[in-house]
Amino acid sequence: QAVVTQEPSLTVSPGGTVILTCASSTGAVTSGHSPHWFQQKPGQAPRTLIFDTSNKHSWTPARFSGSLLGGKAALTLSGAQPEDEAEYYCLLSYGGAYVVFGRGTKLTVL
Amino acid sequence: EVQLVESGGGLVQPGGSLRLSCAASGFTFSTYSMNWVRQAPGKGLEWVSHISSYTNTIYYADSLKGRFTISRDNAKNSLYLQMNSLRAEDTAVYYCAREWAIWGQGTLVTVSS
Repeated sequence: QAVVTQEPSLTVSPGGTVILTCASSTGAVTSGHSPHWFQQKPGQAPRTLIFDTSNKHSWTPARFSGSLLGGKAALTLSGAQPEDEAEYYCLLSYGGAYVVFGRGTKLTVL
Repeated sequence: EVQLVESGGGLVQPGGSLRLSCAASGFTFSTYSMNWVRQAPGKGLEWVSHISSYTNTIYYADSLKGRFTISRDNAKNSLYLQMNSLRAEDTAVYYCAREWAIWGQGTLVTVSS
């Protein structure tokens, strides 16, 4: 089974920019992996931010964006806000409906 | 309002069974595929199972080894997860998700004697 790797933790200053990445043990991440990004705050259900690499939902703050970067999926947060402190998970698809979540990145805004 | 509400969680002894439900509202349930995802205490998200809109495609995580069964009743706007031979490591919050856009609030399953 594929393993999806994320940075365990990152810190960003308020107003700063940070890039979270999502790598696959099977090789480069492509649009075919349909990368998704989720935000989860303590005690809450996950909330989807990005789907299919770079698409945003109506509720996704404009400061979040998704892309492919250096063989990985990437989530860029530009202009971090205190409320962005959360755990972030990526999800990659490996054919059919088989998907694997990354272990998550704990983002601290400090 | 688009909403998913899970129910059926609780305390169960090892080896026991539970059936989780996910009630959908605010959208045409029958036209969407659905997923179950779980999260053990203090751990990350783990995909459990997928069912297509008209049940013609079903997938499970390899780790479940045939103990779980996903189903749906489009007439009742409901998704189900039958869990058998439960183990301590199945203890988790179980979420249903509409494709990957909408999530329920989760239901806690605790497997303990």
